[in-house]
Amino acid sequence: DIVMTQSPDSLAVSLGERATINCKSSQSVLYSSNNKNYLAWYQQKPGQPPKLLVYWASTRESGVPDRFSGSGSGTDFTLTISSLQAEDVTVYYCQQYYTTPYTFGQGTKLEIK
Amino acid sequence: QVQLQESGPGLVKPSETLSLTCAVSGGSISSYYWSWIRQPAGKGLEWIGRIYTSGSTVYNPSLKSRVTISVDTSKNQFSLKLSSVTAADTAVYYCARLCSGGDCYPASFDYWGQGTLVTVSS
Repeated sequence: DIVMTQSPDSLAVSLGERATINCKSSQSVLYSSNNKNYLAWYQQKPGQPPKLLVYWASTRESGVPDRFSGSGSGTDFTLTISSLQAEDVTVYYCQQYYTTPYTFGQGTKLEIK
Repeated sequence: QVQLQESGPGLVKPSETLSLTCAVSGGSISSYYWSWIRQPAGKGLEWIGRIYTSGSTVYNPSLKSRVTISVDTSKNQFSLKLSSVTAADTAVYYCARLCSGGDCYPASFDYWGQGTLVTVSS
């Protein structure tokens, strides 16, 4: 299985500041034939299902605010929130869909400083 | 707008079989991959398995011996059966569709049900 490791486990950021969450995969999720990284980011609020934010490592899902951006390639990825809003304070997960079993990171809890 | 809705018993006895159904509305179930994912309270997400509308399945090896996922295209729904459950199977169970923009295989999970809590207890 590909192990997804997020860092940090929790993060405190002031409103309006930048938040950065990292995700590392135990093997590359870059498919060389199409140069796509099979990596997604989700946001999960309490009592709700995860919401897809970013896929192909850097493509924002329709309707997701442009303060959310994804970057990285191979085994190292980052989700950045450029200016933290109160409604962004929740848990974030990365996920690889390069191969089954699909696997998720353990989650990063984002809090207000 | 595609909507998914899980249904099934919220309480299952140990050693029995957990059975859930995911009804898909607002779109056809055909020509997509569909998955079940679970989340124990306060913990992370675990992928259980996926099915294509042809009936082709892939399961998580950690659960493979106990899982069956099936699809009923006439009812626009798919189902999960997990046998020989224990307390460790207590979780919120989600159904989800695989699609990333216009690329729907392989893909991330773009639509999710609200989830249903299944508790394993006597």
